[in-house]
Amino acid sequence: EAGVAQSPRYKIIEKRQSVAFWCNPISGHATLYWYQQILGQGPKLLIQFQNNGVVDDSQLPKDRFSAERLKGVDSTLKIQPAKLEDSAVYLCASSNPTANRNSPLHFGNGTRLTVT
Amino acid sequence: AQSVTQLDSQVPVFEEAPVELRCNYSSSVSVYLFWYVQYPNQGLQLLLKYLSGSTLVESINGFEAEFNKSQTSFHLRKPSVHISDTAEYFCAVRKAAGNKLTFGGGTRVLVKP
Repeated sequence: EAGVAQSPRYKIIEKRQSVAFWCNPISGHATLYWYQQILGQGPKLLIQFQNNGVVDDSQLPKDRFSAERLKGVDSTLKIQPAKLEDSAVYLCASSNPTANRNSPLHFGNGTRLTVT
Repeated sequence: AQSVTQLDSQVPVFEEAPVELRCNYSSSVSVYLFWYVQYPNQGLQLLLKYLSGSTLVESINGFEAEFNKSQTSFHLRKPSVHISDTAEYFCAVRKAAGNKLTFGGGTRVLVKP
């Protein structure tokens, strides 16, 4: 089975610019997550989708971050405008709890963002 | 809310020596526990998990972890490491009734020849 696909792998932007990341989860996985992993720290959940609905976005900085999953498959995460402290790896993950309540999360390779 | 503490940020170890990575969690409800591994420039991969049953769980590449409810710990061990075990290891916790993972800060393992 194909894994979680993310693009781009790397992105360098200047502060105050905008950036968008894309994620294609494993086929059939209803749940999609975006995590932020700052260097030297563990991943922190930004937003969780169940199909095209938001389940948890309590840690998403909504003044600058937005995410959507319009058709319940692919998702995009946007930052506008970016700040220096947004430099991190952005990880997308998916799971299929409807098939298996204890379905593990499958992670993509991430997008490394550097804000200068 | 649950939280995870990984006490060691880095663990250097010689090849074929044993290693233990410590993980403690806090939660007011029943939880499931996980260890993920992240090789350089890759995403996280599930190494092993504790859901219920035997408190000692094993992975296919020789790692094991023991769930200790009284000490709220889930330490990861391997009796003899290989160079290829060089990676960052993350402990994570999830409420038994939910599917949101909370991660610890990670432990970087550097295996030296």
